Amino acid sequence: GAVVSQHPSWVICKSGTSVKIECRSLDFQATTMFWYRQFPKQSLMLMATSNEGSKATYEQGVEKDKFLINHASLTLSTLTVTSAHPEDSSFYICSARDRGLGEKLFFGSGTQLSVL
Amino acid sequence: TQLLEQSPQFLSIQEGENLTVYCNSSSVFSSLQWYRQEPGEGPVLLVTVVTGGEVKKLKRLTFQFGDARKDSSLHITAAQPGDTGLYLCAGDAGNMLTFGGGTRLMVKP
Repeated sequence: GAVVSQHPSWVICKSGTSVKIECRSLDFQATTMFWYRQFPKQSLMLMATSNEGSKATYEQGVEKDKFLINHASLTLSTLTVTSAHPEDSSFYICSARDRGLGEKLFFGSGTQLSVL
Repeated sequence: TQLLEQSPQFLSIQEGENLTVYCNSSSVFSSLQWYRQEPGEGPVLLVTVVTGGEVKKLKRLTFQFGDARKDSSLHITAAQPGDTGLYLCAGDAGNMLTFGGGTRLMVKP
């Protein structure tokens, strides 16, 4: 089946640094990718929808200057958490839609971000 | 934003018991998906239901989509400790997938 690779799986950084998370569709072209944030024992919260070659659409309350999303190719989307603070610590998950498989959605394995 | 209410939020049962998780919305979805998630991992798709009234079975799991495509249920028969995890329903409204709040299931041996 389709695979979405997300890296890194775990990152610890100092407050004030920027962290980039990559989401790759390994064997299909993903025109749309989604970024979610998940707090412990809670459900996924959609942060933004990323369309290849265009600006991302952010959900209400998500700072676009804080969470920079780039979807430069059909197989890669990146989320950069800029000037990270401890409150940004969370589990971030990407997903990609495979139009070739009836628009099924496949998820990455997630990235645990810990900001000290 | 379309909302999906999932219940119960938490469920702790003994091995062998049956359980049902509900997912309700006032909105109509083109399809509804159920996922299971382990700690520290991404959600894994269990099933997608598309047609109103549709029933799908996956071993001991039975999924049903409401006639009006606004609600869904997941029934697990004879739960096993291996069923422990976070179950998420998600409604597909075109270009967005909206998740329910999740049901954390613990099956004790």
